[in-house]
Amino acid sequence: ETGVTQSPTHLIKTRGQQVTLRCSSQSGHNTVSWYQQALGQGPQFIFQYYREEENGRGNFPPRFSGLQFPNYSSELNVNALELDDSALYLCASSRTLAEQETQYFGPGTRLLVL
Amino acid sequence: QQQVKQSPQSLIVQKGGISIINCAYENTAFDYFPWYQQFPGKGPALLIAIRPDVSEKKEGRFTISFNKSAKQFSLHIMDSQPGDSATYFCAASIVQYSNSGYALNFGKGTSLLVTP
Repeated sequence: ETGVTQSPTHLIKTRGQQVTLRCSSQSGHNTVSWYQQALGQGPQFIFQYYREEENGRGNFPPRFSGLQFPNYSSELNVNALELDDSALYLCASSRTLAEQETQYFGPGTRLLVL
Repeated sequence: QQQVKQSPQSLIVQKGGISIINCAYENTAFDYFPWYQQFPGKGPALLIAIRPDVSEKKEGRFTISFNKSAKQFSLHIMDSQPGDSATYFCAASIVQYSNSGYALNFGKGTSLLVTP
């Protein structure tokens, strides 16, 4: 186990609703990245937070937003949910930007949009 | 678009055999190439990683071979065991800062089944 925890484990929402997913990074890690993993696909990078600021963003629309808190935990918010948002959402933490390449993943939150 | 292409999509190997998974990339700025292992219901776990300044890295039964000129890298699992049955992802990233942060770009994954 990596020490990265995510909540909830599973979630069902309807189209148009909003959702908030949470991640607690591993102790001593100040960088958090979020990924979306559709069924049968590799994870796709959504964005990354370092010391409470967004440090980079993948090809996702603005309705995907995030926050990082002073304790380095993080939230992923998705507004106006679409059916294609159904996926496993993964959070990964790393110790510092200098050692960012070692990203430790949590178990994910499985989101189903109906 | 998929920046890292992975093959095969699925693989069946007998216990004791060698499992080989291949990946190819286009972006020559990539300078870090990890492999992740994912079991059902779990997040990906780092298995082994390589930088482009070496052509091979071995950790236990796992070996990465890297061909910089061909822009290809592969994972070899020696003496494959039923416990190795999982989905394997290759990935690539730019360790130096880019405008997309330090994103890992994943392949689509290979489902490995090792039969007894």
